[in-house]
Order: sequence, then structure tokens, then C-alpha cells
Amino acid sequence: RKEVEQDPGPFNVPEGATVAFNCTYSNSASQSFFWYRQDCRKEPKLLMSVYSSGNEDGRFTAQLNRASQYISLLIRDSKLSDSATYLCVVNADSWGKFQFGAGTQVVVTP
Amino acid sequence: DAGITQSPRHKVTETGTPVTLRCHQTENHRYMYWYRQDPGHGLRLIHYSYGVKDTDKGEVSDGYSVSRSKTEDFLLTLESATSSQTSVYFCAISESDSNNYEQYFGPGTRLTVT
Repeated sequence: RKEVEQDPGPFNVPEGATVAFNCTYSNSASQSFFWYRQDCRKEPKLLMSVYSSGNEDGRFTAQLNRASQYISLLIRDSKLSDSATYLCVVNADSWGKFQFGAGTQVVVTP
Repeated sequence: DAGITQSPRHKVTETGTPVTLRCHQTENHRYMYWYRQDPGHGLRLIHYSYGVKDTDKGEVSDGYSVSRSKTEDFLLTLESATSSQTSVYFCAISESDSNNYEQYFGPGTRLTVT
């Protein structure tokens, strides 16, 4: 079983709609959680860190559920520019060693 | 954007040849990482460094070696390239900050081994 699992999608979303997807992790000792965005053939870029209380950054909302060991990302009012692959990243070590999910593809359509 | 560069950006090489990829940062971050990304696998850690001359293996380190003689440079060497090492290689950096180890990535090196 992979340590970090994501639905690969694609999630096809009409422009202006809301989309949400989850990422599950297997290591209960995981301490830090992140969502990265990756455009085709580009490097991953940090979208947001995920805090225990949940956090929001504009149209993006991230939640952490430690009991069920998953994090979620919700995108409201989707834009065409939100089309990308979203990577879930989990850190379980004290110094910063990360586990990556394979990514969830989101396609926003006009 | 974080100051991370990778060179070369693209390379085609033949099986059996040695290849060295370079990652250079201007952020003075302590931690540096080499990942490879292949379809369906996500990013997999090859090697990492937690300081000058301090390196350790990741989950897919076989066939790779690294060196870090200066804070700003982290080199990845494929000792004898194989076709299975055809991949996109990303370097990343991070710095501890209240236990929130955010990583920042270089632009990637696309390596093809023929």
C-alpha cells in the first residue's frame, strides 16, 4: 500500500463550480501536510500548508482529519487557470522527509 | 520564486555513460533533495542532504550518488546510466521553520537514456 494515496482523476469541473478531493496517508505519526500544484511538465509549486484547524487561502480551503488520516482540498469558483495536477505531500520525520501522492488531475472547462 | 536552478535542463545520453546533474540554490537553505518523477508514481526521493557533506539515501537510491561540498550546490550522479533512469529529475530545498518544512522545487531536468 502506498503511504500517500490520491484519486488520480481527472476531475472535470465546469468553470465557476466547486470541486473537492481527498488524500489519504498511512503513517499516523505524520506531522506536516501540504498541497502542491503542478502544471504539465513544470515543477511542483506550493499551494498551501494544511493546519490542524483547517485553513483557507482565497478560493482554496484545506482540511485535515487526523482520526481518519486524510486531508482534503476544496476549490470554489473554479477558474480555467486552476486546471493542473494537485499533489498531496506528507511529512512524518522531524527534519523534513516527505512522501508525495501521485496527484489528482483537475480539468476546468468553459 | 525561490532561487533554485538545475542544469542541464534536458539531456539525452547513452546507456552505460555517467551523468551528473547539478542543483544550485541562492537561498542558503540547509536541506536539499533529489527526486525523480515518473508517470503514476509521484515524486520519489533519491537522496537528500541535511548540510554540507551530510547526505543520505532515499527510497530509490540504487544507481545514484550525490555530493554536497558547498551549501548552494547539490550534485546527482548516475554512475552508469540505464534506460530505467529515464525520468524527470527535480531538486528541492527546504529550511526548518517552526516544524513546517515547506519545500521549493527547481525547474527540473528531463533525462533520456537511450
